[in-house]
Amino acid sequence: ETGVTQTPRHLVMGMTNKKSLKCEQHLGHNAMYWYKQSAKKPLELMFVYNFKEQTENNSVPSRFSPECPNSSHLFLHLHTLQPEDSALYLCASSQDPRSYNSPLHFGNGTRLTVT
Amino acid sequence: AQTVTQSQPEMSVQEAETVTLSCTYDTSESDYYLFWYKQPPSRQMILVIRQEAYKQQNATENRFSVNFQKAAKSFSLKISDSQLGDAAMYFCAYGAGGTSYGKLTFGQGTILTVHP
Repeated sequence: ETGVTQTPRHLVMGMTNKKSLKCEQHLGHNAMYWYKQSAKKPLELMFVYNFKEQTENNSVPSRFSPECPNSSHLFLHLHTLQPEDSALYLCASSQDPRSYNSPLHFGNGTRLTVT
Repeated sequence: AQTVTQSQPEMSVQEAETVTLSCTYDTSESDYYLFWYKQPPSRQMILVIRQEAYKQQNATENRFSVNFQKAAKSFSLKISDSQLGDAAMYFCAYGAGGTSYGKLTFGQGTILTVHP
């Protein structure tokens, strides 16, 4: 059982749809992250939240909109996506984002397909 | 910008034998951390081992050990006594020290197959 839960596990959406990805961590961590894993490309950091405040936006297009209502929940709102946005979206959390003594804990990801 | 390179897209090993996965990185920082993560078919990324750049001693975790060559910017992972459960995609990752807020730069990954 993972301490970081992502839903849905799979999502297929059209380019005009609006959908949201959800992440919940049960570890009492203070920081949460969205990473994108595309085929044949390294994982890419998208967003970082520390104590609910966004501290990193890695030049992500505005069609991806993150929301962090509290330290345990993280959302990624999607609208007017492109087929090249199809990927595995991984959520992660850590106790202290400024210390590598607190490693990242990942969820199982949401496999997104944009048609 | 930091880069991480894994030059072996795929590797295979016989059960109970030893395999080494390669990783090189490029950075101008002196304070950084290196990681190996494992991603099995469940898709969850799991931390395998961590190395602090300021430590000369190579990190070990049970059957997993690293060969950290700071001058050569090399960070290889050795898996001893390979088990079927070790089959997964392995990612090397770099994290800068200081206030980098948990940003990791990942390599492209190496698919490890373990043959019974």
